[in-house]
Amino acid sequence: NAGVTQTPKFQVLKTGQSMTLQCAQDMNHEYMSWYRQDPGMGLRLIHYSVGAGITDQGEVPNGYNVSRSTTEDFPLRLLSAAPSQTSVYFCASNKRQGAGPGEQYFGPGTRLTVT
Amino acid sequence: KNEVEQSPQNLTAQEGEFITINCSYSVGISALHWLQQHPGGGIVSLFMLSSGKKKHGRLIATINIQEKHSSLHITASHPRDSAVYICAVRIQGAQKLVFGQGTRLTINP
Repeated sequence: NAGVTQTPKFQVLKTGQSMTLQCAQDMNHEYMSWYRQDPGMGLRLIHYSVGAGITDQGEVPNGYNVSRSTTEDFPLRLLSAAPSQTSVYFCASNKRQGAGPGEQYFGPGTRLTVT
Repeated sequence: KNEVEQSPQNLTAQEGEFITINCSYSVGISALHWLQQHPGGGIVSLFMLSSGKKKHGRLIATINIQEKHSSLHITASHPRDSAVYICAVRIQGAQKLVFGQGTRLTINP
């Protein structure tokens, strides 16, 4: 199993450009999430999904869109990049355990710089 | 005030010392996670627990639901344990995790 994969690893965008961060998992996990990590802020949830076709907003959803058309893939779209979106982005997946997410598996991260 | 608070924020110790990292939370939870983030940036899950204690090698995690507190202990610490340790909780009835800000641990040889 490859686990959770993310592409690209690094990206530089100009303000106003759009792009999609890709995330895929091959563990048949129901839950998938996108986080951003900024210095001194910890991990913050952007969007999450509890299954194919179901997504919901997290703590910092503005400026980002997601969709979950398959169990495996959960892309994150930046609609019009802003310097405030400079961050490290992590995708994670979890198998359902009980009524909610179980152990988390993280992708390697994408370091995004917006100039 | 954050729902999840970790202490200390930074910890430096000598190889071999017993390490304790604390996590306190202010909401009802259904599970608590401990994660490790290496200097290279990768994040791995260490423990998920909802009661009592779990042990894996030199790592021990405990949780006291009544006191809303969890601890991560490392016995016989080693420089390779140097990392950021992150506590996260699943709030009761919610489908998502809330994270602490992390504790940066440095073990000197």
